[in-house]
Amino acid sequence: NAGVTQTPKFRILKIGQSMTLQCTQDMNHNYMYWYRQDPGMGLKLIYYSVGAGITDKGEVPNGYNVSRSTTEDFPLRLELAAPSQTSVYFCATELAGEGETQYFGPGTRLLVL
Amino acid sequence: AQTVTQSQPEMSVQEAETVTLSCTYDTSESNYYLFWYKQPPSRQMILVIRQEAYKQQNATENRFSVNFQKAAKSFSLKISDSQLGDTAMYFCAFMKGGGGADGLTFGKGTHLIIQP
Repeated sequence: NAGVTQTPKFRILKIGQSMTLQCTQDMNHNYMYWYRQDPGMGLKLIYYSVGAGITDKGEVPNGYNVSRSTTEDFPLRLELAAPSQTSVYFCATELAGEGETQYFGPGTRLLVL
Repeated sequence: AQTVTQSQPEMSVQEAETVTLSCTYDTSESNYYLFWYKQPPSRQMILVIRQEAYKQQNATENRFSVNFQKAAKSFSLKISDSQLGDTAMYFCAFMKGGGGADGLTFGKGTHLIIQP
């Protein structure tokens, strides 16, 4: 039972490049989330999904896109990377319900130069 | 929208001492949940403790307990008999109730250092 896995662990991008951060879960959780953590800050919600085919914006969605074609996978796409997107990205899952615990992946550190 | 404030950027205590981390929040919701997450240097987010706002009883998990003051919108974390492995960033987080996928709202965190 791997839980929540994220790839890659670390990536350097040049300004204007694009990439996809992968998130996969094997817990059969309905809800999935993407957060970013800037240095010295707490996590902020980028996008979330309540199930396959359903996604919605969080607090800081600009510059990102997501898709959810399966329960297991929730990739985050960065188009035209900018230095402001330098951050650590966390994927999280939650079994749908009232105030359920969120389980986090190990994070992807992204550096945009 | 809700906000979460952690007013202590850093704290340092000796091993075996008791330490309390502060958290206040602001919300107009009546149904919500509060969490403390630990983030060690590995960056992994680890749930420490969870509190339902409708419960008056404070949550406890082994050496970790909370002091939940709903009227004051305060949610502090007490760590008893602190250990070197408790050294980490600690984040207070808020989740709206209702069963929707609203995500967590985090504070900026407190860096806790346990000195040997």
